[in-house]
Amino acid sequence: AQTVTQSQPEMSVQEAETVTLSCTYDTSENNYYLFWYKQPPSRQMILVIRQEAYKQQNATENRFSVNFQKAAKSFSLKISDSQLGDTAMYFCAFISPGSGNQFYFGTGTSLTVIP
Amino acid sequence: GAGVSQSPRYKVAKRGQDVALRCDPISGHVSLFWYQQALGQGPEFLTYFQNEAQLDKSGLPSDRFFAERPEGSVSTLKIQRTQQEDSAVYLCASSLSGYYNEQFFGPGTRLTVL
Repeated sequence: AQTVTQSQPEMSVQEAETVTLSCTYDTSENNYYLFWYKQPPSRQMILVIRQEAYKQQNATENRFSVNFQKAAKSFSLKISDSQLGDTAMYFCAFISPGSGNQFYFGTGTSLTVIP
Repeated sequence: GAGVSQSPRYKVAKRGQDVALRCDPISGHVSLFWYQQALGQGPEFLTYFQNEAQLDKSGLPSDRFFAERPEGSVSTLKIQRTQQEDSAVYLCASSLSGYYNEQFFGPGTRLTVL
């Protein structure tokens, strides 16, 4: 079975600063995808960034980047130049062919950006 | 274009009542997923459709839960004889075919069972 662990239930960051959210996962699969989803208060979950396990290069999307350490099974999200609109719950998710088509989500990290 | 929509957004049911939750996926999306999100938790997988075929229902917590997608578009999640532990947000997501594609989520239906 796949498990995803987010060890930081809550975090805060000053506006314009950088913050890193951690995620670890456990799997015996070699081919899989990792995702970070953002769930703003009372709004829909949206994709932030995606990483294919077979790619060594870390994914980057504007102010969002990941540090993917396959051997350590770690997938952290770095948010640079934090903005008030980044305040949300952030979920790390795992999916693989071996796990069917279902996402395995972590328990989430609540991020607050302080003005 | 329109995203994934769900209705109702909020539902209050008395214990023992049946409820039906609707999901309208993005047009053309082959895959449809249902998740249950308890308060303070991440979403947990319930079931998955590829077109009208329910390919995985391993996450349904009991035989009181039933999902269908008869024409390969709109889906309904039905919960019979609701219990208090069924209280949660039920999320629907759709995607293009393939496990690696981004799943687009709806706003969810918050179910409260009294």
